[in-house]
Amino acid sequence: DVQMTQSPSTLSASVGDRVTIDCRASQSVSTYLAWYQQKPGKAPKLLIYQASTLETGVPSRFSGSGSGTEFTLTISSLQPDDFGTYYCQQYNNYVLTFGQGTKLEIK
Amino acid sequence: EVLLVQSGAEVIKPGESLQISCQGSGYTFSRYWIAWLRQRPGEGLEWMGMTYSGDSDTRYGPSFQGQVTISADTSINTAYLQWSSLKASDTAMYYCARVRGFYFDYWGQGTLVTVSS
Repeated sequence: DVQMTQSPSTLSASVGDRVTIDCRASQSVSTYLAWYQQKPGKAPKLLIYQASTLETGVPSRFSGSGSGTEFTLTISSLQPDDFGTYYCQQYNNYVLTFGQGTKLEIK
Repeated sequence: EVLLVQSGAEVIKPGESLQISCQGSGYTFSRYWIAWLRQRPGEGLEWMGMTYSGDSDTRYGPSFQGQVTISADTSINTAYLQWSSLKASDTAMYYCARVRGFYFDYWGQGTLVTVSS
């Protein structure tokens, strides 16, 4: 299975900050990488797919980049509603796997 | 509007069987895979498997093969996740999700399964 490792595990930032979350794959997944946001007690929400394509309705302050084994989710200007846990997921291999999550807290 | 509505929370004793459901609406159910995902308390997301109701093709994650059964009934746009003998370690929130390009674009609200004697 492809192992996905996110960093950092937790992150505290202020409104207006630029925030980046990294995701590393144990082998190349090309650009078959998605990002999700999950708020406490809620189902995850798709933010980005194909490494950099924004899902319809997702604010443009979210962006994704990377290919192969190294990926980044960037929030250009953090908003209060952006708290939650973020997960990356690869879908290059038929065994679909997630990173362990990055918990983002607003200072 | 695409909606996935899951069945309600369950409290089950170890060794008992269980089936939970996920009903889709607002799209052509038989044209998409439906996946099931597990989230244990305080932990991350795990893909359990998925089914394509158009031809009954079903795939399982290695950790879940033989442990659960995933199926679907296209006549009522519903997917199922079934256990024959639950363990305490199966206590978790279970989500169904529509699969698009092998990522997950719409999610159900989750079904909490608690296994306790």
